[in-house]
Amino acid sequence: QVQLVQSGAEVKKPGASVKVSCNAFGYTFSGNYIHWVRQAPGQGLEWMGLINPNRGGANFAERFQGRVTMTWDTSISIAFMELNRLKTDDTAVYYCAREVDSGGYGRWFDPWGQGTLVTVSS
Amino acid sequence: SYELTQPPSVSVSPGQTASITCSGDKLGNKYVCWYQQKAGQSPVLVIYQDTKRPSGIPERFSGSNSGNTATLTISGTQVMDEADYYCQAWDSSSVIFGGGTKLTVL
Repeated sequence: QVQLVQSGAEVKKPGASVKVSCNAFGYTFSGNYIHWVRQAPGQGLEWMGLINPNRGGANFAERFQGRVTMTWDTSISIAFMELNRLKTDDTAVYYCAREVDSGGYGRWFDPWGQGTLVTVSS
Repeated sequence: SYELTQPPSVSVSPGQTASITCSGDKLGNKYVCWYQQKAGQSPVLVIYQDTKRPSGIPERFSGSNSGNTATLTISGTQVMDEADYYCQAWDSSSVIFGGGTKLTVL
């Protein structure tokens, strides 16, 4: 059974950094991209970026470039998302999700992690 | 930048058909998928490649995509279908989500 298990909730002060982990089970980690998506309270889904564990490399949404780092360790099937210079409006649930690529016929997310609540407050 | 537009809310009576739209420029030229998110839970894939249902998703969920609009249809809507629904597509190398539609079943 494919499953993504994320780290627990975090409380941070403005200006600090947070690092969220995403542990993958039930499939070959290097075979699929991992994406990060966040959801502010009462708001919609916002894509942050992706990693390619197979060939290396990452791609970030423009608004997070320079402030987010995405890393991974294939040997233990884990991905990390670190967000720096936190602001109060970074308070959100952060999700990782596995991409399924049909090879030119669409790409979608399945499954998603359980989410990690990050609260930024002074 | 590319945008996907969904109605903020849709209401339907149990047993009736619910239709949730997702609009974007030439959206029919892209592949669209849909996620269901119940309160306090992670999103779940309900439609991919415009029309396909993942294993375990009831047959009452269906999708279409043509022109500028993709549509998620729930036939014989049940109370358990009450949730937020998000469409998603790709534009260049970026993932785009619609703003989400709250489906109320009453």
